[in-house]
Amino acid sequence: NAGVTQTPKFQVLKTGQSMTLQCAQDMNHEYMSWYRQDPGMGLRLIHYSVGAGITDQGEVPNGYNVSRSTTEDFPLRLLSAAPSQTSVYFCASSYAGGQPQHFGDGTRLSIL
Amino acid sequence: QKEVEQDPGPLSVPEGAIVSLNCTYSNSAFQYFMWYRQYSRKGPELLMYTYSSGNKEDGRFTAQVDKSSKYISLFIRDSQPSDSATYLCAMPTDSWGKLQFGAGTQVVVTP
Repeated sequence: NAGVTQTPKFQVLKTGQSMTLQCAQDMNHEYMSWYRQDPGMGLRLIHYSVGAGITDQGEVPNGYNVSRSTTEDFPLRLLSAAPSQTSVYFCASSYAGGQPQHFGDGTRLSIL
Repeated sequence: QKEVEQDPGPLSVPEGAIVSLNCTYSNSAFQYFMWYRQYSRKGPELLMYTYSSGNKEDGRFTAQVDKSSKYISLFIRDSQPSDSATYLCAMPTDSWGKLQFGAGTQVVVTP
């Protein structure tokens, strides 16, 4: 049972490049979310999804895009990378909103 | 003002001591409270999940909720070096269940 799997684990990008962070869960959870974690800021919600085909913005959505075509997958796209997006990104899932979430081990992203 | 406030520490204690962590929150409508533990370079993992005011115990961990003061606490008894981690409080903030996290408190337990 893999839980929440995030790929890649590390990535370095140049300003202006685009990329997709992958997230997959095998627990049949309806609720999935993306956070970024910066020193002293805790976890901040970027986007979330309450089920396939349904997504909404969180606290810091600008510069990021998501879609949810299946229950299992919830990719996060950086449209045009900026140095301010250097962070650690976590994907999480739960069977419903408000319930304890299971987290992946993160993607460490550096943008030069 | 953030909805959830948590002292970032670091908090350094000797092995065997009691670790006391706390969070304050501003919205009296919050009803569910969670504590997560995060080891370095890992994702957060759920430690405790509580609903009502009062205490909940799980092994060496005790979660305490005081809704009248909008204050939650986590106590770790007989602390071990393996308890060295960052501890984050979290609570659902709206009907969609979006979680608001505290900034996390770094705990270091020295042998």
